[in-house]
Amino acid sequence: NAGVMQNPRHLVRRRGQEARLRCSPMKGHSHVYWYRQLPEEGLKFMVYLQKENIIDESGMPKERFSAEFPKEGPSILRIQQVVRGDSAAYFCASSFQTGPGELFFGEGSRLTVL
Amino acid sequence: AQSVTQLDSQVPVFEEAPVELRCNYSSSVSVYLFWYVQYPNQGLQLLLKYLSGSTLVKGINGFEAEFNKSQTSFHLRKPSVHISDTAEYFCAVGPGAGGTSYGKLTFGQGTILTVHP
Repeated sequence: NAGVMQNPRHLVRRRGQEARLRCSPMKGHSHVYWYRQLPEEGLKFMVYLQKENIIDESGMPKERFSAEFPKEGPSILRIQQVVRGDSAAYFCASSFQTGPGELFFGEGSRLTVL
Repeated sequence: AQSVTQLDSQVPVFEEAPVELRCNYSSSVSVYLFWYVQYPNQGLQLLLKYLSGSTLVKGINGFEAEFNKSQTSFHLRKPSVHISDTAEYFCAVGPGAGGTSYGKLTFGQGTILTVHP
């Protein structure tokens, strides 16, 4: 499967724990985007990364959330001290160009905070 | 700032009937427009996109959309739907020519299309 791979697909955490979501972009893609989908809502942009750089994090909450895309390995979205409001589906998308090409989405990671 | 409004949260239709899913947007700058489809527990798949040129855009699975700049709309249509078209559909806008962060899309709330036999 050469698509965007996200894991885990489902994650359950208790309030105060940490959640780590991983995304491996499509082969050859160096642009990664994270989106969050809250229940009954559309997707909201969180952050745009290229290898080793955060390009645009205007959609990221200022506290507890961080993202990285290291030179080697997958992109990681990290949520510290999770709260119930963090329960959502988190989608990663990748593209291979900086222009308005197609975004390829993963199947999402569904976080449930108890 | 950009915003997208999908005028119908749910659209039920019978198989082989035509369907239109409505999308309006607002933006102070030029935009590119997209329609994505999401099947249950899956990621989003691009149906079609408008970047420039002809305002009538054809996509996959027999869908098409028409960009209307004066009405700031980008409605999605299909002349005859199938059961397999049952899914949630999202309209999205992104930065147009000269913009940055082209993958930074603003999505509508989604329209659930249910096709009945």
